[in-house]
Amino acid sequence: AQSVTQLGSHVSVSEGALVLLRCNYSSSVPPYLFWYVQYPNQGLQLLLKYTSAATLVKGINGFEAEFKKSETSFHLTKPSAHMSDAAEYFCAVTPLDDKIIFGKGTRLHILP
Amino acid sequence: DSGVTQTPKHLITATGQRVTLRCSPRSGDLSVYWYQQSLDQGLQFLIQYYNGEERAKGNILERFSAQQFPDLHSELNLSSLELGDSALYFCASSPPLFRGQVGELFFGEGSRLTVL
Repeated sequence: AQSVTQLGSHVSVSEGALVLLRCNYSSSVPPYLFWYVQYPNQGLQLLLKYTSAATLVKGINGFEAEFKKSETSFHLTKPSAHMSDAAEYFCAVTPLDDKIIFGKGTRLHILP
Repeated sequence: DSGVTQTPKHLITATGQRVTLRCSPRSGDLSVYWYQQSLDQGLQFLIQYYNGEERAKGNILERFSAQQFPDLHSELNLSSLELGDSALYFCASSPPLFRGQVGELFFGEGSRLTVL
């Protein structure tokens, strides 16, 4: 069965600092992996996705994630945090059909 | 704008009552998903429909039911409401698998339900 684990329900970083949000997955088959972002009072929106092409995936707003099969990880990073990055981030996996499994989410706080 | 429309945006009702939440998916999307989001439970998958048929069921209570109509809009019915049902209810839609956008969900802005 597919599952997703996000380490840390809350992460705080200073403005301008590196953002690192961790996601580990378990899957019996090569999965598709996703990061979604939810800004306050909005629905989730797709940030980036891995579909077995390049292992380093670039998304919107300067975010990127690297698929590491040996570590079963898909961590999200951004070199320099901006106040507007404050949001909740969800990692998700799909076993290549239309079922999507979300992690519990990580709320990112940006400190001035 | 994701293209997914949910109504109403806000709803306040009393315990024991019944409400219906409505969702219109993006044009061309056949799948509709319903999620519940609350502070204590996080994002919980409730149910998924594909082209009018129930496709997957998650943590949906027996007091809740849903359906997808021939025009592909969907309704989530919540009955015998309890205080703990207060939450944000999201609808999402996804393109057909043949379009190659596997796993891409487009979320509406949600319906905020408050049960007093």
